[in-house]
Amino acid sequence: AQSVTQLDSQVPVFEEAPVELRCNYSSSVSVYLFWYVQYPNQGLQLLLKYLSGSTLVKGINGFEAEFNKSQTSFHLRKPSVHISDTAEYFCAVSAPGSSNTGKLIFGQGTTLQVKP
Amino acid sequence: EPEVTQTPSHQVTQMGQEVILRCVPISNHLYFYWYRQILGQKVEFLVSFYNNEISEKSEIFDDQFSVERPDGSNFTLKIRSTKLEDSAMYFCASRLAGQGAGQPQHFGDGTRLSIL
Repeated sequence: AQSVTQLDSQVPVFEEAPVELRCNYSSSVSVYLFWYVQYPNQGLQLLLKYLSGSTLVKGINGFEAEFNKSQTSFHLRKPSVHISDTAEYFCAVSAPGSSNTGKLIFGQGTTLQVKP
Repeated sequence: EPEVTQTPSHQVTQMGQEVILRCVPISNHLYFYWYRQILGQKVEFLVSFYNNEISEKSEIFDDQFSVERPDGSNFTLKIRSTKLEDSAMYFCASRLAGQGAGQPQHFGDGTRLSIL
């Protein structure tokens, strides 16, 4: 079984400052990793994903994340945030393999609050 | 860009009544999912559906729940006799086949279900 922990429930940050949202996972098998963003009254939108290969993945809206297998982490970063980045961010994992359905296991979410 | 659409956006139902939540997945997607998010909690997997049958379901998905793909476009979630604790946001998602579970899931905007 897999589990995901997002260490911060809320992250306040000033506009144009850098931000890191932390995500750790637990799994007995290798996993695929995802970050989704949820704007108010909207569904979840994929920011980026890690399947294999380079451990640094770039996503939309200037976000990037780094997979660290030894620390079982997949932290999300942005060098300079905008007010429009204010949203809920979810880290998720799924187990690869043809016998797996691709269900996503989500973390608790982190609310990013960007202040002017 | 094609989207997953869900209707209604908000459903208010008396406890004990049946409710059907509707979803139109992206047309060439083959895997379908329902998730729910109780207010203030994490997004939870309910069920996955592939090749016209349930491929996996969670412990939450008991006999009160059912899913159906009645035609080539709709994917529905039925709750037979609603309980207060069924109040939540319900998300439908779909994804392409191929690349196993690495294909990202596309989410609808959700249906907010309120049980009175």
